[in-house]
Order: sequence, then structure tokens, then C-alpha cells
Amino acid sequence: EVQLVESGGGLVQVGGSLRLSCAASGFTFSSHWMNWVRQAPGKGLEWVASIKRDGSEKNYVDSVKGRFIISRDNAKDSVFLQMNNLRAEDTAVYYCARDSGSGYVDYWGQGTLVSVSS
Amino acid sequence: SYELTQPLSVSVALGQAATITCGGNNIGTKSVHWYQQKPGQAPVLVIYRDTNRPSGIPERFSGSNSGNTATLTISRAQAGDEADYFCQVWDSSTVIFGGGTKLTVL
Repeated sequence: EVQLVESGGGLVQVGGSLRLSCAASGFTFSSHWMNWVRQAPGKGLEWVASIKRDGSEKNYVDSVKGRFIISRDNAKDSVFLQMNNLRAEDTAVYYCARDSGSGYVDYWGQGTLVSVSS
Repeated sequence: SYELTQPLSVSVALGQAATITCGGNNIGTKSVHWYQQKPGQAPVLVIYRDTNRPSGIPERFSGSNSGNTATLTISRAQAGDEADYFCQVWDSSTVIFGGGTKLTVL
């Protein structure tokens, strides 16, 4: 059974940093692109970042470029999101999401809440 | 950047068919995927590559895509179908979601 378990969320002040982790199991982790998708309270889904199977390619939404870094450790079946210089508008539930290999998400984690206070 | 437009809300009578649209420039040339999200839960894939249903998704869910509009149709709507629905495409190495549609079953 595919499982994605996020951790690392919490309350942080504007300008602070957090590192999210996602532990994957139940599939060959190194065979899949991985994504982070967020959802602000009462809002829609917003893709944040993605990383290629071997970590050699990373893509970001414009609003987080230069502040967030996605990475992965295939030996530990984990993907990470380092979030720096956080802003109030980064407040959201952050989901770890597996790419199917065809440009859509076939599995989602349950999400971890990040709250940025001013 | 590419944009997807969805109606904010759609209402449907119990047992009737609901149609949720997703508009985008020449979206018919892209693969469109649909997710259902219930309150407090993670999204669930209900349609992939325009018309395909993942295992476990009822046949009542179907999709189409042509021209500038992709459509998710839920036939014989049930109370349990009440949720937010999001369309999604992949464009220029980025994942793009529509703004979401709240489906209300009356």
C-alpha cells in the first residue's frame, strides 16, 4: 500500500524557516517524480515544487523561487521542502504528492499545516 | 502562464447529472485530470488523462476534453459526491490547478 506521511509543519514567525519531510513507503520511490502542493485555508490547490526521480531537475512556482528548496533522499525514501524567509501568505496545508509518471498525482499524503504569523 | 478557469459552484438535484467545466486556451490539446476533495481530507484522483477512471472510482464519473473546455460529469449524483472538484494540467514543467468548483447536491 502506497503511503506518504508528512511531518515538520508548525507555527513560525514571518521571516523564519521550516523544513518539511515526507516519508514514502509501499512503492519504488526512486521511480517517481515527487511534488509538494499546498492549500491555504479555504482556498484551492496550489502546486509548489517538484523534483525528478534522481533529483537532477527541480521546478518551483514563481512565488517560492529563491526561498524554498525541494530535495530528496532515495536511500531513505523521503522528500523534503526547505522553506526560508516565510511569509504570511505561505500559511497552508502542505501535501506531499506522488506523480504518476504521466503528469498527474495518483497518491497524496494527509498534509501538514504550516502557519506563519506576523 | 497557463490558466484554468472553473465555476465557483455547481448545484445538482439528487439523482441528476452534474457537469463541471474547466476552461483553458486550447485545453483540448492537453491531458486534463480531475480531483475530488472533501472537507478535511486530501484530494482524490477521480479522472486522469481526460477520460480515464482510477480503480475504485464509480462509473458515474466521466470526463471529456475538446477545444477550450474540459468537462467532468457526475451522473446520478449522490449526497456523497458533494465536495470540491479541481481540474489540473501539466504545462511547461509546472503543475497547474483550476481554482476549484464546489458541488452541492440538493
